[in-house]
Amino acid sequence: QLQLQESGPGLVKPSETLSLTCTASGGSISRSSYSWGWIRQPPGKGLEWIGSINYSGSTFYNPSLKSRVTVSVDTSKNQFSLKLSSVTAADTAVYYCARHDTSGYLNWYFDLWGRGTLVTVSS
Amino acid sequence: SSELTQDPAVSVALGQTVRITCQGDSLRNYYASWYQQKSGQAPVLVIYGKDNRPSGIPDRFSGSSSGDTASLTITGAQAEDEADYYCDSRDTSANSVVFGGGTKVTVL
Repeated sequence: QLQLQESGPGLVKPSETLSLTCTASGGSISRSSYSWGWIRQPPGKGLEWIGSINYSGSTFYNPSLKSRVTVSVDTSKNQFSLKLSSVTAADTAVYYCARHDTSGYLNWYFDLWGRGTLVTVSS
Repeated sequence: SSELTQDPAVSVALGQTVRITCQGDSLRNYYASWYQQKSGQAPVLVIYGKDNRPSGIPDRFSGSSSGDTASLTITGAQAEDEADYYCDSRDTSANSVVFGGGTKVTVL
């Protein structure tokens, strides 16, 4: 059964780049019908979609974050990654990776989530 | 980009029925999905598409939609259903996703 696990620094300095990796185990991320996405949740607040990447490497991002976000995939390592540049305290959040089913035109959904990792932006 | 609006909180007596709503322009074109998030845990998908439940989700969870509003209904709420519930959908700008602000469900 496929599982996802986020990894990366738990503390990032303001103005630097946040980098996280999501590693899949128990299955391959190469299956063509799925995209792979990142969602974050500031402490005590709601969920915010960051961006996703599909099987062909096409990316789609939250317009409010697009200028700072890069999502990439490395199928050879069964991983996908998030980079968020020029971070501020407002980027402090739990970051989740998730499998993103974008195969249906009328409905996209995140059907498998990692446990999440807390990233704090502070000097 | 569009927004999805949810009531911040709702309560339900044990064994009774509760409906959680999600309103937004994108729901006129796309289905909502619903996620349950218990305290300190990652979200879990409970409803997707017209009214589909992933494997392992109890059939007391159901979804519906009308116009710009999607609903998640819990019929016969159990103590373990106490959680935050979020909706999401494709955004009207097509290749984007928007989440609702979440509804905290308390089971009395």
